[in-house]
Amino acid sequence: DSGVTQTPKHLITATGQRVTLRCSPRSGDLSVYWYQQSLDQGLQFLIQYYNGEERAKGNILERFSAQQFPDLHSELNLSSLELGDSALYFCASSVDPGTGPGNTIYFGEGSWLTVV
Amino acid sequence: DAKTTQPTSMDCAEGRAANLPCNHSTISGNEYVYWYRQIHSQGPQYIIHGLKNNETNEMASLIITEDRKSSTLILPHATLRDTAVYYCITQGAQKLVFGQGTRLTINP
Repeated sequence: DSGVTQTPKHLITATGQRVTLRCSPRSGDLSVYWYQQSLDQGLQFLIQYYNGEERAKGNILERFSAQQFPDLHSELNLSSLELGDSALYFCASSVDPGTGPGNTIYFGEGSWLTVV
Repeated sequence: DAKTTQPTSMDCAEGRAANLPCNHSTISGNEYVYWYRQIHSQGPQYIIHGLKNNETNEMASLIITEDRKSSTLILPHATLRDTAVYYCITQGAQKLVFGQGTRLTINP
């Protein structure tokens, strides 16, 4: 158990709909990351937040947005869903936004999103 | 972030040491080498990391060459539960950039 909690674990929704994925980081971690893993794409970095502020952006679509709240939990909002958005969405957290010997990134177990 | 090159797949017999190589010839001086593994669509699991010295923990050992252009992850006594995709990542910026990894299969 990494200490990173993601909900829901599984979600099935229709095209055109909107969903919200939730992540609680490990206790004491200020930085949250979102990754997408689809069958043919591998693990793709989407976005990172640190203490409520966006720090880095990756291959995140305009239909997707995220935020980190004052209690440090984060939400990933996916809207106008398409079949191709079906994937595993992982949240990860770390103490700091940068790198260093103590700043290991830990991943949650993911949220399976199926768009039908 | 520096790019890494790993074999697509490897096999190892149960009980033997599994040695997974990784090339990171463009690594810069302040980038760490991290290893993660992913067991069948579970969340990536942190294994070990290092900068220039060899490292060992309860899961594995990491050997980094003196020029830092390559490294080897060693699982000393592989078990069936070690079957997974292993990712070697060099981390200099905030995020981890995953490649395709090595699919390690431990055979009984």
